[in-house]
Amino acid sequence: DIQMTQSPSSLSASVGDRVTITCRASQTIYNYLNWYQHIPGKAPKLLIYAASTLQSGVPSRFSGSGSGTDFTLTITSLQPEDFATYYCQQSYSTPPITFGQGTRLEIK
Amino acid sequence: EVQLVESGGGLVKPGGSLRLSCAASGFSFNDYNMNWVRQAPGKGLEWVSCISGSSGYRQYADSVKGRFTVSVDNAKNSLYLEMNSLRPEDTAIYFCARDVSGYRSFDWWGQGSLVTVSS
Repeated sequence: DIQMTQSPSSLSASVGDRVTITCRASQTIYNYLNWYQHIPGKAPKLLIYAASTLQSGVPSRFSGSGSGTDFTLTITSLQPEDFATYYCQQSYSTPPITFGQGTRLEIK
Repeated sequence: EVQLVESGGGLVKPGGSLRLSCAASGFSFNDYNMNWVRQAPGKGLEWVSCISGSSGYRQYADSVKGRFTVSVDNAKNSLYLEMNSLRPEDTAIYFCARDVSGYRSFDWWGQGSLVTVSS
């Protein structure tokens, strides 16, 4: 199984900050990497697919990059509604589809 | 608009069974793969199972293989997860999610249904 490791596990930031979350795969997954945002009590939301393609309706302050084993999710100019947990997910080698352990983004 | 609504969760004793349902609207199951993803208390997301729109293939996580069965009823546009031999570690919120083929990204999710396995 491909293991996905996110860093950091948690992060404190302020409204208006720029933050970067990284995700590393245990073997190459090319660009089969998706990012999600999850707020407790709500449905998870797809942000980025194919490592760098913004899902329709997602604000342009979200961006993704990377290929192979190393990927990043960047949020520029944090908004209050962005404080949530973020997950990466690989879909190159399945089953199983695997998620990172999550990065909790908290308000400083 | 696409909508996914889970139901069927509840409290069940270890060794018991439960059937989750996911009612879909706004699209046809025939055209998509569908998945179950769960989140245990205080933990992250864990993929559980998927089924192709045509029911041509089904896949399971090792943690549930042999105990859980995924199925669809295309006439009712509904997805199901039959869960048997439940264990305390199966306690989680269970989400159904639509799978966009190609990059297997889950573009629509339900709100989730809580399953608690406890004596």
